[in-house]
Amino acid sequence: NAGVMQNPRHLVRRRGQEARLRCSPMKGHSHVYWYRQLPEEGLKFMVYLQKENIIDESGMPKERFSAEFPKEGPSILRIQQVVRGDSAAYFCASSPLAPSSYNEQFFGPGTRLTVL
Amino acid sequence: DAKTTQPTSMDCAEGRAANLPCNHSTISGNEYVYWYRQIHSQGPQYIIHGLKNNETNEMASLIITEDRKSSTLILPHATLRDTAVYYCIVRPLGGSQGNLIFGKGTKLSVKP
Repeated sequence: NAGVMQNPRHLVRRRGQEARLRCSPMKGHSHVYWYRQLPEEGLKFMVYLQKENIIDESGMPKERFSAEFPKEGPSILRIQQVVRGDSAAYFCASSPLAPSSYNEQFFGPGTRLTVL
Repeated sequence: DAKTTQPTSMDCAEGRAANLPCNHSTISGNEYVYWYRQIHSQGPQYIIHGLKNNETNEMASLIITEDRKSSTLILPHATLRDTAVYYCIVRPLGGSQGNLIFGKGTKLSVKP
């Protein structure tokens, strides 16, 4: 059973471009979480999605950031008009059950975004 | 903000037990204690969790004090590959909150 997959692993963008980060959860997992880790910082929650639904986006910046988890295909974190401050590692995690039940989150290897 | 406090860093000799403390004095009755670790540049890895009883699995043991205000993660025989940042997280069971709140963690350095 493959783990959580993220691609690309490294992404370089110039200021003002768009960044699209993809996350394929583990097989059978329908809950996806995105976290951001700035250099030398801990991980910060961004958004929690189930298939076709955003459940909690309390950690998402109000502008330029969006996320989706369609019925088919990977979850996408989209950053429009990137700025240098968006440079970070973006991690995706998945879990099989809702948070109301005990379950651990399985993390992917992350996407390192560098904005020039 | 994280509801836990951990030492910034610790050293441990290879082959010895690593004991990582965590304070969570404001923990609520329905909150579990989770431990994750992050090896350099990798995604976090789940280690163990507990409510009030001590727990053990193939990776580690978790000792939670009777008042639940603190806990200790024990790696019984640390290896160089255990060098990582270890995060202690409290999280409620129930409700819709799904996110993990990571603090700064403890940077464990296992030395030969």
